[in-house]
Amino acid sequence: DQQVKQNSPSLSVQEGRISILNCDYTNSMFDYFLWYKKYPAEGPTFLISISSIKDKNEDGRFTVFLNKSAKHLSLHIVPSQPGDSAVYFCAASAGNTDKLIFGTGTRLQVFP
Amino acid sequence: KAGVTQTPRYLIKTRGQQVTLSCSPISGHRSVSWYQQTPGQGLQFLFEYFSETQRNKGNFPGRFSGRQFSNSRSEMNVSTLELGDSALYLCASSVQGLYNEQFFGPGTRLTVL
Repeated sequence: DQQVKQNSPSLSVQEGRISILNCDYTNSMFDYFLWYKKYPAEGPTFLISISSIKDKNEDGRFTVFLNKSAKHLSLHIVPSQPGDSAVYFCAASAGNTDKLIFGTGTRLQVFP
Repeated sequence: KAGVTQTPRYLIKTRGQQVTLSCSPISGHRSVSWYQQTPGQGLQFLFEYFSETQRNKGNFPGRFSGRQFSNSRSEMNVSTLELGDSALYLCASSVQGLYNEQFFGPGTRLTVL
């Protein structure tokens, strides 16, 4: 049972436009969510996180939105840059000592 | 500050063999987690060690085991390898646990023939 789902395996966006990556979850106990970015041949790197007590967190070009009632979160990248081309994973956990559950990833390609 | 290192980077084994992968966390990090990445499955959590104790475990068979040493270095062992074990194995470290930002190593690419 996939508790964290990224239903779009790939996304293609023009440079300068907005990229929106989506993630859905099924476990209502999840209270902490993270986004990671992964380049080929490298490990994932942390991008941004959000706690369930908030509905938005912003860090530069990256904003994460959380809709708890819909069990949905999204990552917005504005403006998108070619260097953003990577696989993006969302992850969720249900507490400080609980394991992280990752989605299957969305491959973002930003073209000039 | 040095990042998370994993050795070896690439490994080829045959079915039935066993393998040991190593992970050195960032200095000062006490939590080490292991993940398996396969196409279409994303990152799947294997286990987490904190201060030499396994604190969390994913849904993997007992052929997958691990340990952590007093210097926080961790090893993962897979016995009786199967073709389906071919994957990228990632190790991540954090200061206190999974809630904290995890820093990932580059991974070990295991191919089982």
